[in-house]
Amino acid sequence: DVKVTQSSRYLVKRTGEKVFLECVQDMDHENMFWYRQDPGLGLRLIYFSYDVKMKEKGDIPEGYSVSREKKERFSLILESASTNQTSMYLCASSSAGGNGYTFGSGTRLTVV
Amino acid sequence: GEDVEQSLFLSVREGDSSVINCTYTDSSSTYLYWYKQEPGAGLQLLTYIFSNMDMKQDQRLTVLLNKKDKHLSLRIADTQTGDSAIYFCAESIINFNKFYFGSGTKLNVKP
Repeated sequence: DVKVTQSSRYLVKRTGEKVFLECVQDMDHENMFWYRQDPGLGLRLIYFSYDVKMKEKGDIPEGYSVSREKKERFSLILESASTNQTSMYLCASSSAGGNGYTFGSGTRLTVV
Repeated sequence: GEDVEQSLFLSVREGDSSVINCTYTDSSSTYLYWYKQEPGAGLQLLTYIFSNMDMKQDQRLTVLLNKKDKHLSLRIADTQTGDSAIYFCAESIINFNKFYFGSGTKLNVKP
């Protein structure tokens, strides 16, 4: 069964901490994405990557960075976590065609 | 980003049909999608339609696309309590392989 795996389901961090959210896919997909999901706002794209070592800003990249050193792994980094980054974070991957994303089950991050 | 809009809530009785609507703005959309999100879970692809199609049927699901009005709908026949979830409409633009999501419609199915 093909999968996108996010390393943590729930995470609690303190304000100012550096936070790493990890995502791994086993489908040899070229494209990987990080979204955050907030009530009433739907999904908002933070960063995406079309290839190893390649990254593009999405709609809300401020306060975040990403790393893609290997094709199967896409990491989201919160350089200095703030309370307004409390959210559900969803990772997704897709092949170069248009047959849809595969999502991970999400990481619910709380920053206190 | 592009605008994809959905109503936030829909409530139906078990056994009735549900119709979830979506409008989008980009006429160069190539594929349009419906995703389902159950509580505490990620998004699961339900179905998708290529932009040159008008309709697609898959068991209890019927997708209708009105390209002229940029309107997409998802009809669920014989809605069950297990269909209670948030449903997201999404569009993709072929050159970017990026998806734009609506804010999701929360479907509540009453027994």
